[in-house]
Formats: sequence, C-alpha cells, structure tokens
Amino acid sequence: AQTVTQSQPEMSVQEAETVTLSCTYDTSESDYYLFWYKQPPSRQMILVIRQEAYKQQNATENRFSVNFQKAAKSFSLKISDSQLGDAAMYFCAYRSHSGGGADGLTFGKGTHLIIQP
Amino acid sequence: DTEVTQTPKHLVMGMTNKKSLKCEQHMGHRAMYWYKQKAKKPPELMFVYSYEKLSINESVPSRFSPECPNSSLLNLHLHALQPEDSALYLCASSQEVRPGADTQYFGPGTRLTVL
Repeated sequence: AQTVTQSQPEMSVQEAETVTLSCTYDTSESDYYLFWYKQPPSRQMILVIRQEAYKQQNATENRFSVNFQKAAKSFSLKISDSQLGDAAMYFCAYRSHSGGGADGLTFGKGTHLIIQP
Repeated sequence: DTEVTQTPKHLVMGMTNKKSLKCEQHMGHRAMYWYKQKAKKPPELMFVYSYEKLSINESVPSRFSPECPNSSLLNLHLHALQPEDSALYLCASSQEVRPGADTQYFGPGTRLTVL
C-alpha cells in the first residue's frame, strides 16, 4: 500500500514571499501520478498542480511549481509571490497507474498554510 | 468546464432517517467517486464507480449504499447512520480515458450531521 507523508502540519509566510510545502511518499510502483490539492475554508477541493512520475521535468502552473525527486520519493510544492487567497489546507495526493482501472487518491494529512498580510 | 455539483450542501438527519446525497457531472467523465472527510483529516475513499459499475468498495458499512443511475449521476443512500458518520462527503469524477491516469475533480461536498 502507498503512503503519503506531509511533515509540516502548519506553515506561515508573509504575503508576496515564497513558501515550500513538503511531501514524501512510499510506493513500490514505477508508474503513478502525484497531485497537490488546495482546500480553503469553503471546503471545495481544488487541483493546484499535477505531476506524472514518468516525466523528469517538474510541473509548473503560474506561481506554483513542484520539485519532484523520484529517487528520493519527494514531491514538494513551491508557492511564489504568496497571496492572501492562497491561505488554505494543502493536500499532497498519490494515484496509482496500475492500468487496472479507476482508483482513488491516497492523501497526506495536509499542511495548513497561513498567509500573513 | 470542470464542475461537479453536489446536493444538498448541508444535511441534518436522525439515526432512524433515510436520506440520499446526490452528485452530478456533465463533463463526460466515466469514473465517479465518494470520499468521506472528517474534520481536520484528509479525505478517505469510500466507493469508486467506473463506467457505471461499482469497482471499489473500501469496506464501507452497509448503512451507506451507493448508486450510479447513469454516467452523469452518483447517489449515496444513507440509512440508520451513527453520530460518528457526521462528516463532509465529497464526490469526484475523472475522465478515465487512460485508467488511473486522469485527474479527479471534486464537488463542493455535503456536510452531514447525524443526531
């Protein structure tokens, strides 16, 4: 079974600064997908960014980028120029690509990100 | 458009009631999911429907009964729930053109309180 670990229960950053959220995972599979989801107080789970394990290039999406280290099984999220609207719970998630059909996501426990004005 | 809708937004029910949660998507996605999320915890997978067939049941108690009437709709029927079943219930969908490879998009959830 896969596990996802987020070791930072809470992070705080000043508005306009850069922050990095950590995520490690454990798997014996070679083909999988990794995601960062954001869940603001409204509770809507919003996709931030996604990374395919077979791609060496790190995914980027505007102010959001990842540092994917496959050998180290590490998948951190960097948020540049932090904005007040970035305040939320951030979940790292793993999805197997076993080819056997649809499967669920395995989530980490989450990191609560606070943006200081 | 990546919209998944869920109704109702809030539901309060007694332990003897029968109620249903509804989820709908019109993106042509072929897989739909139910997750349960307790306060300050990550979502936990309950059920997966793939091409309108139940493909995964994560040992969920029988008081939760999923139903997929068609490819756009997913219901969760609730009966004889316990107070510990109070949680946010999230629905998600994914395209599944490449099984296991596609992003899951979530609805806003139904906040359930069992008295």
